Amino acid sequence: NAGVTQTPKFRILKIGQSMTLQCTQDMNHNYMYWYRQDPGMGLKLIYYSVGAGITDKGEVPNGYNVSRSTTEDFPLRLELAAPSQTSVYFCASDSTGFYNSPLHFGNGTRLTVT
Amino acid sequence: AQSVSQHNHHVILSEAASLELGCNYSYGGTVNLFWYVQYPGQHLQLLLKYFSGDPLVKGIKGFEAEFIKSKFSFNLRKPSVQWSDTAEYFCAVKSGGADGLTFGKGTHLIIQP
Repeated sequence: NAGVTQTPKFRILKIGQSMTLQCTQDMNHNYMYWYRQDPGMGLKLIYYSVGAGITDKGEVPNGYNVSRSTTEDFPLRLELAAPSQTSVYFCASDSTGFYNSPLHFGNGTRLTVT
Repeated sequence: AQSVSQHNHHVILSEAASLELGCNYSYGGTVNLFWYVQYPGQHLQLLLKYFSGDPLVKGIKGFEAEFIKSKFSFNLRKPSVQWSDTAEYFCAVKSGGADGLTFGKGTHLIIQP
């Protein structure tokens, strides 16, 4: 049972480069999320999805894009990397989105933009 | 919109000391409250959650939390901490909308042997 799997674990980008952070889950969860974690700031929601074909912006969406073509996959795209996007990125999934349903997190991707 | 406030950003304790981490939230409607733990270099793991019933909830590894509605609080406690409890702890609230959890800024707990 893999749960939520993120790749890569680490990445260094130069300013202006692009990349896609991959996230896949094998729990058949409809709800998926991307958070970024910065020291002393907790986790901030970037984008979320309530099912295949449906995505919406979170608190800090600027500079990112997402797609959800299947239930399993929820990739996060950075088109023009900037130093402000240096962070740890976590993908999460949720079975129902209901009040008492916890989120399940992946192991994170540590991204450095120089 | 809901928000979560964690009072202590850094806490240092000796082994066997008692722990209490504060968490307050602001939201007028029905909420569900969570504590997550992140061990060094790892992902977030659920410690415990509250959504109804007994306001004192017990989680894994000897942790518990008490929901006090009148104070909008959900403090995390452990009677006797261990070195392995060194981690970052996040309080989070979920209002039932589709946008997941709102997190506090986290408390970095260091347990000295």
